[in-house]
Amino acid sequence: DQQVKQNSPSLSVQEGRISILNCDYTNSMFDYFLWYKKYPAEGPTFLISISSIKDKNEDGRFTVFLNKSAKHLSLHIVPSQPGDSAVYFCAASANTGKLIFGQGTTLQVKP
Amino acid sequence: NAGVTQTPKFQVLKTGQSMTLQCAQDMNHEYMSWYRQDPGMGLRLIHYSVGAGITDQGEVPNGYNVSRSTTEDFPLRLLSAAPSQTSVYFCASSYTGGNQPQHFGDGTRLSIL
Repeated sequence: DQQVKQNSPSLSVQEGRISILNCDYTNSMFDYFLWYKKYPAEGPTFLISISSIKDKNEDGRFTVFLNKSAKHLSLHIVPSQPGDSAVYFCAASANTGKLIFGQGTTLQVKP
Repeated sequence: NAGVTQTPKFQVLKTGQSMTLQCAQDMNHEYMSWYRQDPGMGLRLIHYSVGAGITDQGEVPNGYNVSRSTTEDFPLRLLSAAPSQTSVYFCASSYTGGNQPQHFGDGTRLSIL
C-alpha cells in the first residue's frame, strides 16, 4: 500500500517555463511534507518543506502547495533552469522522523 | 564539513556473505536512519535510531541488523546477503526525530550475485 504516490515518472519542460511536480498521499496522520532533489550518484538533498498548518511555502524559485482536503501537494519551479534536471522525491512524516517517500519524478529541463 | 559519510561507495557480494555498511555523521544529530532505493519504489526505511543505544525497525527491516553505540555512527549489517538486497543504500540524519529535514549521505551501491 503506497501511502505517498508520485504518479508521473517523468516530466519535460522548456527552460524558463514552469515545472509542476505532483504528489498524493493517503495517510491523514501526515503533518509534514518535504521535497528532495536527487542527482545521479549523489544522495537526496532537501529542497523545501511545508507543515500541515500551512497551504503554501515559498523559497526563491521553489513553491510548495498543500491541499489537505484533497491530500495533494505540488512543487512549482519558476523559472525552470537546466540545472534543475534531477529526480524529485516527495516525502511525508507524522512527526515521528520516519519519512515515507514517493516513487520519484524525473524532471528534464531543456535549454 | 563532512556531513553524513557512507563507506564503501560500491560493493559486490556473493549470496550468503556478510557485510557492514558504515555511516558516520559529524553534526551531533540524535536521529539516524537507513533507507534503500530501488527502481520505481522510491526510498524505503530499513531501520532508524533516535539516539545512542536506541534502534527500531522501519518498513523493510528483514535481513538487516543495526546498532548505535555512539551518536556519530550507525552501521547497517547484512548477515547473509541475498540477491533481493541488491540496491542503493542511503544513510540519513537529523537533530531529532520530529518534523525536520534529514541530511543524506551519497549512498552505497550494493550488488549481490
